[in-house]
Amino acid sequence: GAVVSQHPSWVICKSGTSVKIECRSLDFQATTMFWYRQFPKQSLMLMATSNEGSKATYEQGVEKDKFLINHASLTLSTLTVTSAHPEDSSFYICSVPLLTANTEAFFGQGTRLTVV
Amino acid sequence: KQEVTQIPAALSVPEGENLVLNCSFTDSAIYNLQWFRQDPGKGLTSLLLIQSSQREQTSGRLNASLDKSSGRSTLYIAASQPGDSATYLCAVPYNNNDMRFGAGTRLTVKP
Repeated sequence: GAVVSQHPSWVICKSGTSVKIECRSLDFQATTMFWYRQFPKQSLMLMATSNEGSKATYEQGVEKDKFLINHASLTLSTLTVTSAHPEDSSFYICSVPLLTANTEAFFGQGTRLTVV
Repeated sequence: KQEVTQIPAALSVPEGENLVLNCSFTDSAIYNLQWFRQDPGKGLTSLLLIQSSQREQTSGRLNASLDKSSGRSTLYIAASQPGDSATYLCAVPYNNNDMRFGAGTRLTVKP
């Protein structure tokens, strides 16, 4: 079964509106979760690290005021794309850290965001 | 800084052909390497996880090899089928165990 659940799987929104994406760790508590972004025909790039009880850390070039991350509990992280624009249209996917060095990485199902 | 590279970027083969996808990484201090499949517009499907202490890992028609010292991994697909058409990504853990991905190889298997 799924270890990480992400919703919604797709969303279409109007330019200027905000969109919230949820990422839930189903099988264990996660003090850290990761958010990735994938533009068409490109690979997945880490956007930010969500930290339970503290501020998220953002990768270089990612606007923290535009991509609001909240890690309110040990099983839920949310990514809010504020004032979305067409250039924010992308595939967003979350993951949880490796349980051990010998385990695979688990990802959510991903969210396809289209801003019109 | 860990950089992951995949070649070729795209590959088109006739059905039934055996093929090899390549992945290289710059920092050999990795825990493991994971191969994923991504269908258009979809999420990631984990194919194989190969530990740093392993040389290869097999699942069905797929075989992944790992040469840590040279920073290389290959994914071998035997007797390819049209249903194998997808983008194949390799990734390694980094820092806080986020993953660093290659750009992927887009595979098309023609009937």
